[in-house]
Amino acid sequence: DTAVSQTPKYLVTQMGNDKSIKCEQNLGHDTMYWYKQDSKKFLKIMFSYNNKELIINETVPNRFSPKSPDKAHLNLHINSLELGDSAVYFCASSQATGGIGYTFGSGTRLTVV
Amino acid sequence: KQEVTQIPAALSVPEGENLVLNCSFTDSAIYNLQWFRQDPGKGLTSLLLIQSSQREQTSGRLNASLDKSSGRSTLYIAASQPGDSATYLCAVDAGGTSYGKLTFGQGTILTVHP
Repeated sequence: DTAVSQTPKYLVTQMGNDKSIKCEQNLGHDTMYWYKQDSKKFLKIMFSYNNKELIINETVPNRFSPKSPDKAHLNLHINSLELGDSAVYFCASSQATGGIGYTFGSGTRLTVV
Repeated sequence: KQEVTQIPAALSVPEGENLVLNCSFTDSAIYNLQWFRQDPGKGLTSLLLIQSSQREQTSGRLNASLDKSSGRSTLYIAASQPGDSATYLCAVDAGGTSYGKLTFGQGTILTVHP
């Protein structure tokens, strides 16, 4: 069983479109995250949710909206996609206490054309 | 603002060598430090986690040390193998209200030749 699964794995879309990436974890973790890895492979946190509550929002454009229907799911919706949004987006989860057991999904490669 | 730097950016060694990867961070007020491995096209795998009160952690051929006061961590890989080839990432967790927020270095790309 995949611990943190995200779909789709690849996403190619045109500028201006709206798209969503879904993430689910079956580890029973309370905290979930979205990270962005840019073309230079630099990983940076975007959001974190603890038990469906937004904890961290790292100055991400408001075109990006995370949604957590329950603590096992954290989806990322992106409006009006721009070329600069092209990157690999990673979902992750951890236990609530201090990031123990950090587990990453395999990533979604988003290409905006 | 926490900044994490990893040296070297890339490393190529023959199989069997012992090697050291370096990580430095600017703010010593960390909760923990983790080393991850990233394989091409894959997610990150946690290798070792060192709490701020600890000095080192070991797992198999891997040993990670932490010197919080000087803002440094090293990952030691003994008897390297071609299967160790990957990108190694260091990440620090500030804890407190930002617990779980990892600040990553840019990684060391390791290639181990047979």
